[in-house]
Amino acid sequence: DAGITQSPRHKVTETGTPVTLRCHQTENHRYMYWYRQDPGHGLRLIHYSYGVKDTDKGEVSDGYSVSRSKTEDFLLTLESATSSQTSVYFCAISDWKENTEAFFGQGTRLTVV
Amino acid sequence: DAKTTQPPSMDCAEGRAANLPCNHSTISGNEYVYWYRQIHSQGPQYIIHGLKNNETNEMASLIITEDRKSSTLILPHATLRDTAVYYCIVRVSGANSKLTFGKGITLSVRP
Repeated sequence: DAGITQSPRHKVTETGTPVTLRCHQTENHRYMYWYRQDPGHGLRLIHYSYGVKDTDKGEVSDGYSVSRSKTEDFLLTLESATSSQTSVYFCAISDWKENTEAFFGQGTRLTVV
Repeated sequence: DAKTTQPPSMDCAEGRAANLPCNHSTISGNEYVYWYRQIHSQGPQYIIHGLKNNETNEMASLIITEDRKSSTLILPHATLRDTAVYYCIVRVSGANSKLTFGKGITLSVRP
């Protein structure tokens, strides 16, 4: 399995509090992604990174920010959590060399109460 | 990226081949077909991908029609552990292109 770790795996937080999720990789892959998954939906892209300090928005980026200060870590921050951000969050990594696959973490289940 | 269409669900008997269809009628010449699966609530797992030739690996076979407008993922001998949601995705070649997931097809393998 690819070396990708998400932390925490589970979190319950209150509305209005800031939350940061961490994705850590040991594969030295250039590209990192944050997705969310809700019932009735497939995975939806929140933000992605194509290098250190290089990030861009995905299709559901409102209410989220990201940072990547080093290759191995990609942080997802909810500045002020809302109940609509209750979801399962997945991180993915890839280097897309020769169009090979992306690897996904095991997910973080976030509940905003 | 081109969109894909998959039926919402299907089932098959354990030990039999599972043939999962996918339509991607607007696929472009530089777009690959990828298949991922998600077992229960785990992270998606890569299965296979192809451009225009049929592909086979230890997990599955991918059959792409000559016009590239549809494809079929074949699990040759389905087991109960293959019960999962399977996603068919088309992705433009090139590093900045992303994986865009639809709702996938739920495969249920029955004993």
